[in-house]
Amino acid sequence: GESVGLHLPTLSVQEGDNSIINCAYSNSASDYFIWYKQESGKGPQFIIDIRSNMDKRQGQRVTVLLNKTVKHLSLQIAATQPGDSAVYFCAENRGRGDYKLSFGAGTTVTVRA
Amino acid sequence: DAGVIQSPRHEVTEMGQEVTLRCKPISGHNSLFWYRQTMMRGLELLIYFNNNVPIDDSGMPEDRFSAKMPNASFSTLKIQPSEPRDSAVYFCASSRGAQGRAQHFGDGTRLSIL
Repeated sequence: GESVGLHLPTLSVQEGDNSIINCAYSNSASDYFIWYKQESGKGPQFIIDIRSNMDKRQGQRVTVLLNKTVKHLSLQIAATQPGDSAVYFCAENRGRGDYKLSFGAGTTVTVRA
Repeated sequence: DAGVIQSPRHEVTEMGQEVTLRCKPISGHNSLFWYRQTMMRGLELLIYFNNNVPIDDSGMPEDRFSAKMPNASFSTLKIQPSEPRDSAVYFCASSRGAQGRAQHFGDGTRLSIL
């Protein structure tokens, strides 16, 4: 029968290439954003965060870009490696005393050797 | 530094039994969150504690679910009685503060109710 559930976007990338994972967020009042990586059998792992007063932030091999005008967040991974294969989630926090993180559905990234 | 520690990693039990999941947050973190993850619904926040006090339990699905945080280094999530639809991966996360802070997750408890 047909399986019902979350249909996660997928991204297949060649090892060594750069990856770009996109996320549209919902609330223009959100002022803090996080990217998480979740490998099979593990919990979401913090990758990088960015606050709304910034447009770009860089980490080790990763860059997060924030476009508040169109409420869009992206994660760029440089020189993608097999160990980067995972589900990637963006999360937003609406600030002003709001403790909740709202998670996106996730993108499954598969790295081809 | 040790991350968030959850136990057990896997639990298989029969319907009707009591299940207790345990969490040790990162030392110095004063906010603790319990989540449930399923393929159907993704990550759902069940309950949030701040300084050991439950602040929001609106995500707890039913009275069968309860959570406690007796001290800053330990929390439990209990299901009694358990049902097959409770089968999921349960995550605990902690953060230093809550607003505008990254939550750090444990590796979860995979719960199967037969």
